Order: sequence, then C-alpha cells, then structure tokens
Amino acid sequence: KQEVTQIPAALSVPEGENLVLNCSFTDSAIYNLQWFRQDPGKGLTSLLLIQSSQREQTSGRLNASLDKSSGRSTLYIAASQPGDSATYLCAAAGGSQGNLIFGKGTKLSVKP
Amino acid sequence: AAGVIQSPRHLIKEKRETATLKCYPIPRHDTVYWYQQGPGQDPQFLISFYEKMQSDKGSIPDRFSAQQFSDYHSELNMSSLELGDSALYFCASSSQTGLYEQYFGPGTRLTVT
Repeated sequence: KQEVTQIPAALSVPEGENLVLNCSFTDSAIYNLQWFRQDPGKGLTSLLLIQSSQREQTSGRLNASLDKSSGRSTLYIAASQPGDSATYLCAAAGGSQGNLIFGKGTKLSVKP
Repeated sequence: AAGVIQSPRHLIKEKRETATLKCYPIPRHDTVYWYQQGPGQDPQFLISFYEKMQSDKGSIPDRFSAQQFSDYHSELNMSSLELGDSALYFCASSSQTGLYEQYFGPGTRLTVT
C-alpha cells in the first residue's frame, strides 16, 4: 500500500529565501507525481506534474524533482514571497486511472 | 479555461439524512475522481470513473455510492449521514492525453449536525 510522507510538517522562512520541501513515497510503481498548493479552507491548485519517466519539471520560481529509485521528490521554491504562504501537498498517482495518494502536507509561512 | 464545477458549495444536513453532491468535469476529460478531506487531514481517495465506468475504489463507505452519467457529470450519493462525514468533498478530472494530471474543483463543504 502506497504511503506518502512530507517533511517538514511546517516551515517558517523570511521573505526572499530559497527553500526545499521534501516528499517520500514507499511504492516506486507510480504513474506520476503531482505537487499541489492549498490555501486554508480552499481547493487544491496543481503546481507541477512529473511523469514517472521524468527527473524534474519547472514552472516559474518552482522546480520539482523526482527520483523514483529512492522514492523521493523535492519541491524547490526560489525567492519566496509572502503570497507563497499555504500548505503544499505532494501526491503519488497509482491505480488504473492514477488516483492520488496524498502526503499530509507542509504548511509554509513566508514572513515579510 | 473551463474548470471543474461542483455543487452545492456548502451543504448542511442532519444525522441520518441523505446528501447528493454533483461534479461537472472539464470538457473532454474522460476520468472523474472523488476525494474526502476531513478537518486538518489530507485528501483521501474515494472512487474514480473512466468513461462512465467505475475504475478504482478507495476508502469509500458502503453508505456512499457514486455514478457518472452520459454527459460525464458525476454524482456522489451519501446516505445515513454521520457526524464524521463532515468534510470537504473534492471532485477532480483528468484526461489520458493530459497524462492524467488532475484538476480539482473548489469542493463541497458538508456539515452534518
């Protein structure tokens, strides 16, 4: 059974810092891996999708990497801003149609 | 661009009542998923449909059922509601051509009193 773990559970940084969020998964037979952002009480916004055959994806200040053999993914956020404050969720896709197994998230706070 | 639509956005029910949540996927998406997110919890996969057929089943209680209709919209039916069913219910959709990247709706907040 797939299990997804995210470290740290919470992170507080000053504005402008570069930071790394970590995600690990137990079953390397994933279809893809998605990173999401969730604001309190709101929906999930897809940030990046990494296919199982890829090593990394980039979008603006975000860069996500995937190492299937070690069961790890990282989300790198460059030059953090207060607007980046949210919970970041990592999810591994499996099953016949890629249903997602989520980690418990990293709650990020960027201080001005 | 069109997004996933869910209705209603908020729903208050009493214990033992029934509730029906609706989801309208992004046009031309062939797969619909339902997730439940309890307070302070991560989303849990409930059930998915591919081309109107049930494809995967997760931790969906027997009191819940779901289906996808000919127009691809999906409904989650919940009966004999319990206090513990209070949660955010998300619908997501994806397409095979889109590499199954899932796009989530805004969610329905269900409160059972």
